Amino acid sequence: AQKITQTQPGMFVQEKEAVTLDCTYDTSDPSYGLFWYKQPSSGEMIFLIYQGSYDQQNATEGRYSLNFQKARKSANLVISASQLGDSAMYFCAMSHHGSSNTGKLIFGQGTTLQVKP
Amino acid sequence: NAGVTQTPKFRILKIGQSMTLQCTQDMNHNYMYWYRQDPGMGLKLIYYSVGAGITDKGEVPNGYNVSRSTTEDFPLRLELAAPSQTSVYFCASRGLEQEPLHNEQFFGPGTRLTVL
Repeated sequence: AQKITQTQPGMFVQEKEAVTLDCTYDTSDPSYGLFWYKQPSSGEMIFLIYQGSYDQQNATEGRYSLNFQKARKSANLVISASQLGDSAMYFCAMSHHGSSNTGKLIFGQGTTLQVKP
Repeated sequence: NAGVTQTPKFRILKIGQSMTLQCTQDMNHNYMYWYRQDPGMGLKLIYYSVGAGITDKGEVPNGYNVSRSTTEDFPLRLELAAPSQTSVYFCASRGLEQEPLHNEQFFGPGTRLTVL
């Protein structure tokens, strides 16, 4: 069964420090993509970063990087130099590629991150 | 370029009432999706569409209907509202794949629905 698991309901991090948000996934499809979205208290969904299953290098986008360990089926989000504005809910999600690539996303339960000043 | 817009932002329904949640995108995207987010949870797919005239069920379609008569619009219909449909509803869209393979979905601001 296709599934995304985020085991950390809540996390705290000190401002300017780095934090890792965990995500594990389960799929038998060899071709898939992994996403991280941020949802601040205002409610909108903000795309952060994407990793394809065949990408050789870990994805990076500014202060965000994705620690992709394919054999372990994990796709952890690393936020460097945390800022107060990083306080939000973070969702890991997966979509399957292949012949009928509909782009449907499967989401994890989310992790609430609070950045302390 | 407004992206994905949703109306209304908030709505309170009585049990048994019907309503349509509107979703419009101006990016000429083929793919459109409806998700619901229950409090403290991740999003779950209700319905999706791969193009005008083509729709299919997602993970939680019961109690909902959709149509896609144009590329731009993808309304979600609730026929007989139930308290279990109290949720935040997100519409999203994405374009055709381009190299490198990238399936980013663009989300609307959401509609907060309460059924009493």
